[in-house]
Amino acid sequence: GENVEQHPSTLSVQEGDSAVIKCTYSDSASNYFPWYKQELGKRPQLIIDIRSNVGEKKDQRIAVTLNKTAKHFSLHITETQPEDSAVYFCALTTDSWGKLQFGAGTQVVVTP
Amino acid sequence: NAGVTQTPKFQVLKTGQSMTLQCAQDMNHEYMSWYRQDPGMGLRLIHYSVGAGITDQGEVPNGYNVSRSTTEDFPLRLLSAAPSQTSVYFCASSQDPGQEAFFGQGTRLTVV
Repeated sequence: GENVEQHPSTLSVQEGDSAVIKCTYSDSASNYFPWYKQELGKRPQLIIDIRSNVGEKKDQRIAVTLNKTAKHFSLHITETQPEDSAVYFCALTTDSWGKLQFGAGTQVVVTP
Repeated sequence: NAGVTQTPKFQVLKTGQSMTLQCAQDMNHEYMSWYRQDPGMGLRLIHYSVGAGITDQGEVPNGYNVSRSTTEDFPLRLLSAAPSQTSVYFCASSQDPGQEAFFGQGTRLTVV
């Protein structure tokens, strides 16, 4: 199946700094790229998504960029706050059934 | 609106026992899926359904069975539990492929 590589596996940032997480994939047919946030002991929740016909999308302090040629997409969090501390997962779908393939996750720690 | 509901939240099984993890959604979503989450491995797809009567295998289907007799319910059956099935299990649903997947609260399963 599709292989999604996510880096880094852990990310420690000072409050107010930016955080960037990158995912790479191999199947050029991939067409939907969501990002999920999972707080400790909770369920994953969608924070932002992008489709293959769009290069960038922003929602307040969160943005996602997609480079279809290079087959990678990234999550950008600006002005990080302690409540941004969580595990973030990238994901993608390739087939018409919409099966989601997840990256291994990035543990983000925002220190005051 | 309950969303996606999973039961039980916690379960301990002995090796060889069988059990069913329940998942129900009240959003009239056609697409439902089961994932397992293990440390450092993200969420891996076990089984998937695109509507009542239609299921497909995911990345790690061995040892698990599913059926989809109604739109609302998508139970996951462990036929003969093994310690390797110790994990956190999440059920998810979405309206269409390429749209937000909503997750249940998870079931933490321990097989001893």
